[in-house]
Amino acid sequence: NAGVTQTPKFQVLKTGQSMTLQCAQDMNHEYMSWYRQDPGMGLRLIHYSVGAGITDQGEVPNGYNVSRSTTEDFPLRLLSAAPSQTSVYFCASSPSTSPYAPSTDTQYFGPGTRLTVL
Amino acid sequence: TQLLEQSPQFLSIQEGENLTVYCNSSSVFSSLQWYRQEPGEGPVLLVTVVTGGEVKKLKRLTFQFGDARKDSSLHITAAQPGDTGLYLCAGFTSGTYKYIFGTGTRLKVLA
Repeated sequence: NAGVTQTPKFQVLKTGQSMTLQCAQDMNHEYMSWYRQDPGMGLRLIHYSVGAGITDQGEVPNGYNVSRSTTEDFPLRLLSAAPSQTSVYFCASSPSTSPYAPSTDTQYFGPGTRLTVL
Repeated sequence: TQLLEQSPQFLSIQEGENLTVYCNSSSVFSSLQWYRQEPGEGPVLLVTVVTGGEVKKLKRLTFQFGDARKDSSLHITAAQPGDTGLYLCAGFTSGTYKYIFGTGTRLKVLA
């Protein structure tokens, strides 16, 4: 198993450009999520999905779109890049499907995409 | 907004010393996880604690979940250079699908 893969590893954009960060997992996990990591702020949840066709917002969703057409893929789209979106982006997946049970599932993280917006 | 505060933010110690990292919140979590992250990589899960007062040991690492399930601690005994990394706590709230991550503690263990 490749686990969680992310592409590209590095990206430089100009303000106003759009792009899609790719994320794929081969573990048949239902739950997938996107985080951004900024110095001193830990990881912040952008969007998440509990299965194909189902997505919802996290803590910091503005400026980002997601879709989940298959179980395996969960792309993150930046609509019009801004310097404030310079960050490291991580995709994660886990088997969890129930919001009402204490989650003991492992979240598996990808290697990250380092994005710079000029 | 739920927040998880970690302290200290940075820690530099000599090999063989003991240390404790704290993760505190005003919110109650149904479970809490600790991750370690190395430069250029994603976080890797170390442990999950679920029950208030629960203590788990992983070799030289001891994790405790507070009785009220609002706080947690990570204690490392006889730290080694291989323990160097960013330690993150993450809380999960029953009724949501969301993990809330702490601000992180960057540990450096000097040989």
